[in-house]
Amino acid sequence: KNQVEQSPQSLIILEGKNCTLQCNYTVSPFSNLRWYKQDTGRGPVSLTIMTFSENTKSNRRYTATLDADTKQSSLHITASQLSDSASYICVVSAGEGDNDMRFGAGTRLTVKP
Amino acid sequence: EPEVTQTPSHQVTQMGQEVILRCVPISNHLYFYWYRQILGQKVEFLVSFYNNEISEKSEIFDDQFSVERPDGSNFTLKIRSTKLEDSAMYFCASSSSEATEAFFGQGTRLTVV
Repeated sequence: KNQVEQSPQSLIILEGKNCTLQCNYTVSPFSNLRWYKQDTGRGPVSLTIMTFSENTKSNRRYTATLDADTKQSSLHITASQLSDSASYICVVSAGEGDNDMRFGAGTRLTVKP
Repeated sequence: EPEVTQTPSHQVTQMGQEVILRCVPISNHLYFYWYRQILGQKVEFLVSFYNNEISEKSEIFDDQFSVERPDGSNFTLKIRSTKLEDSAMYFCASSSSEATEAFFGQGTRLTVV
């Protein structure tokens, strides 16, 4: 069964600290992996999209890694800010079809002052 | 910055009534999507639309659902006879191609009473 599992389920950190969120997937075949940030009650906002050949990708304070062999991805947030408080969702595409997109349950990050 | 806009932001309807959720995708995008997110649960794919027809749909997208692009800018989701379990956030998204990031709207919160 194609699954996307994220950990931790929730995380609380202090402002200025770094954190790493994990995504493990069993989706196969693999097309791409995306990380989204979703503020409460708002639509997801894309952070990165990674294909099979990409191991790491950075977007401002976000760095995503991908290990297609172990089927793991991580999202590292550097120097966290209060505005980083949100759910971070890992989405894996199994193929070219849209119905093949598998959403993780997300990691709820809270950044405290 | 171009964005996907959705209206209304909140819709309350009685069970059995028809609702139409409206979306204006980003103007040069060609692929359009509807997703839903039941409170506290994962985002779920409903349907994708390209070249004026449905390209894919999930099991959730049954005969009660339909989509339409009535003009060059709007993309609508109709639920013919709402059920209590249709209560959710409905997100519209668009992308310029299948492989590029999808931009999400802010969502319509549908409450069926």
